[in-house]
Amino acid sequence: GNSVTQMEGPVTLSEEAFLTINCTYTATGYPSLFWYVQYPGEGLQLLLKATKADDKGSNKGFEATYRKETTSFHLEKGSVQVSDSAVYFCALSIKAAGNKLTFGGGTRVLVKP
Amino acid sequence: GAVVSQHPSRVICKSGTSVKIECRSLDFQATTMFWYRQFPKQSLMLMATSNEGSKATYEQGVEKDKFLINHASLTLSTLTVTSAHPEDSSFYICSASSVAGEGYEQYFGPGTRLTVT
Repeated sequence: GNSVTQMEGPVTLSEEAFLTINCTYTATGYPSLFWYVQYPGEGLQLLLKATKADDKGSNKGFEATYRKETTSFHLEKGSVQVSDSAVYFCALSIKAAGNKLTFGGGTRVLVKP
Repeated sequence: GAVVSQHPSRVICKSGTSVKIECRSLDFQATTMFWYRQFPKQSLMLMATSNEGSKATYEQGVEKDKFLINHASLTLSTLTVTSAHPEDSSFYICSASSVAGEGYEQYFGPGTRLTVT
């Protein structure tokens, strides 16, 4: 089956620190990979995505590279802000499986001033 | 673009009553809508997938007679929690999709917090 594993939180950082959230996956097929962000009390927002190996998704200073050899899609940001405090979900979808999203458990990030 | 709304955002109901949650795609036609449930500090659990004009496909363990899903148009899907009980209290999130291609996206609604007393 398909699964996504991401590092457990919470991750607590100071402002301007470097953020990495690890994400690895297993998939039967060739997945597309996503990072979603959820702010308190809200739904999910797509942060970035990658659809094939070696693609790099980027948005709002966040980046993640689709690594097929290590089945990973780690999220990074060079300098976090307090406003980046949220829960981050790694996810995959496979077209042959109806494009249903499989989510990781989520990683809560808290950035302190 | 690609905005999905949900209504209501919060609802409190008494045990035994039914509650309907609406999910609308505001600026695109959603051929497929998904309903998720999220428990506090946990990930999203897919409940069902609905395609416009056909019956919803429920995930294993989800009671289809308890969680009624209707996707009557390309912009509206509804989830009705029937005979709600306190254990149904949760955050319900819908998403909508319209592209059947590589790396297509699901656009998520803001969620509905249901509290059953």
